Amino acid sequence: AQSVTQLGSHVSVSEGALVLLRCNYSSSVPPYLFWYVQYPNQGLQLLLKYTTGATLVKGINGFEAEFKKSETSFHLTKPSAHMSDAAEYFCAVSARGNTPLVFGKGTRLSVIA
Amino acid sequence: GAVVSQHPSRVICKSGTSVKIECRSLDFQATTMFWYRQFPKQSLMLMATSNEGSKATYEQGVEKDKFLINHASLTLSTLTVTSAHPEDSSFYICSGNNPGTENYGYTFGSGTRLTVV
Repeated sequence: AQSVTQLGSHVSVSEGALVLLRCNYSSSVPPYLFWYVQYPNQGLQLLLKYTTGATLVKGINGFEAEFKKSETSFHLTKPSAHMSDAAEYFCAVSARGNTPLVFGKGTRLSVIA
Repeated sequence: GAVVSQHPSRVICKSGTSVKIECRSLDFQATTMFWYRQFPKQSLMLMATSNEGSKATYEQGVEKDKFLINHASLTLSTLTVTSAHPEDSSFYICSGNNPGTENYGYTFGSGTRLTVV
């Protein structure tokens, strides 16, 4: 079975500061890992995903995440926050194969001018 | 990239009526469709998994007679909320998946905000 823990339900950063959203996972098999962003009353937009290969994954809008198997982590970072990054972020995991995503509880990112 | 079109985006219905939500995969074949429900300020909870041409598999606690899922083709899946009640008010999101393709991934619809009055 898979599970995801997102540390911090709410993270607040200043515009231009580093963004770090934490995600730890549990999986009985090698996982597929995802980060999604959700704006109010909208669906989910994929930021990036790790399936195989390079453990440092670059996504859209300047975000990246690193898969660390030894730490069972997949933290999301962005060097410089922008006001438009304010949203809800979800980390998700799936087993390899046609299985549903299991989501963390989400982290709301606020960006202060 | 892959797109899932979900309609309607918002719907208000009277208690006791039924509402149908459609999800269409526009440029890929969604062999599997996952249906999620999201309450305000909460995460997505899986309701059911449907494979094209088969009966849906529902998660524990989800009433299959209340949430009817049809996945008759590789590009269309529907969720019908029957005899809706105010407690069914929620945000419903579908996710299409075709793991047989090179671009393995889950493509989400834009969601449906259901309000039952």
